[in-house]
This record gives sequence, C-alpha cells and structure tokens, in this order.
Amino acid sequence: LAKTTQPISMDSYEGQEVNITCSHNNIATNDYITWYQQFPSQGPRFIIQGYKTKVTNEVASLFIPADRKSSTLSLPRVSLSDTAVYYCLVASYNNNDMRFGAGTRLTVKP
Amino acid sequence: KAGVTQTPRYLIKTRGQQVTLSCSPISGHRSVSWYQQTPGQGLQFLFEYFSETQRNKGNFPGRFSGRQFSNSRSEMNVSTLELGDSALYLCASSQGQGGVKEKLFFGSGTQLSVL
Repeated sequence: LAKTTQPISMDSYEGQEVNITCSHNNIATNDYITWYQQFPSQGPRFIIQGYKTKVTNEVASLFIPADRKSSTLSLPRVSLSDTAVYYCLVASYNNNDMRFGAGTRLTVKP
Repeated sequence: KAGVTQTPRYLIKTRGQQVTLSCSPISGHRSVSWYQQTPGQGLQFLFEYFSETQRNKGNFPGRFSGRQFSNSRSEMNVSTLELGDSALYLCASSQGQGGVKEKLFFGSGTQLSVL
C-alpha cells in the first residue's frame, strides 16, 4: 500500500507560488492521486486529480514525475483565503484502501 | 443544489453505548463513503457504498458498520463505543460508482465525543 508523506506545515506570503510535495513511494499502477483542501469546521474540498505528468485547472496544477513516487501541488499567487490544510490522497481500490497523507497546514501571511 | 448533509453535527456518548450517524448525499449522487478524522491518525477511510452494497472497506474493527438505502442516503453505526472513537466522522458522496477516479464531495461531519 502506498504510504503518503507530506510536510506538516508551510508558510507563504500573499502573491507567492506555493508548492506542496507528497511522497508515495509504493504507489501501484492503478492508483490515482488527488488533492483536497480543508478549512476549520468543514469537510475537505476537491482541488485536483492526476495520474501522471501534469494536470492544470482553474485553481491549481499537479505535477507527477514519470516514476509517480511523488506529486507536487502548485498553487499560483496564493491569497490569505488559501490558508488551510491540504491533503494528498492516493486511492487504491485494488487494495480496498484510500490512503490520505497527514496533511500540510499552509499559512499565508499578508 | 444542496451539498452533503450530515446529522447530527455534534454528539456526546459514553463508553459502551452505540451511535448512528446519518448522511444525505448530493441529489443524483449514488456513491457514499465514510471517513474518520482524528488529530493523531488523520483522515482514515471507513467504507464505501454504491447501490446499497458495500464496495470497499477500510481497516476498522467490526464495531464500525454502515448501510445505504435505496434513496442513496447512508448511515454508519458504531457499537460498544470506546474513548478512542472520539473523532470527526465525515461522509462524502460522488456521482459515479465509486473508485479511484471519483471526485468526492464531503459534508461538514459529525463530531463525536465519547466520555
């Protein structure tokens, strides 16, 4: 099973680009990588999902190298409202398991 | 469209009791999954249902069970509560049949405290 590891916390300033990396060394062939954002007293909210290479949507980009042993969530030009906890999820239904990382607490400062 | 609704929002129980939590998915969503969130263990997958059938189950003891009704609403039950069951229980729904590519929509959770 792919164990997911991500930094506990990160600080940034408004307007900067933030990159959060998740390590998943034992990722299996059929596993997908998804990132979620969670604010206090709310459930996680979907940000982006990918399998390999690069995926971009209106709020973020996801970079996945060829060996897929890690993934990097990129948030362009963060604002104060991006202060939240970000979770990396490796979903492996072949093994009946969905493995969340411990979450990265991002603090954006003015 | 209304989001995922979980009831109750807060719950206090004592050891040995049992508890039932409820989840109403987004209209049209047919898959429902449950998660336990604690400061120590983080987010952990409990189980997933589609068309009233449990499709996947995480690594939790048999005290944790669930079911899904024909209208896709779901309940989870925890019997013989232990102090360690204190957690935020999150429900998520998705449009498809479940699986690794599903985009999950989470409710705000039920905060369970076991005394």
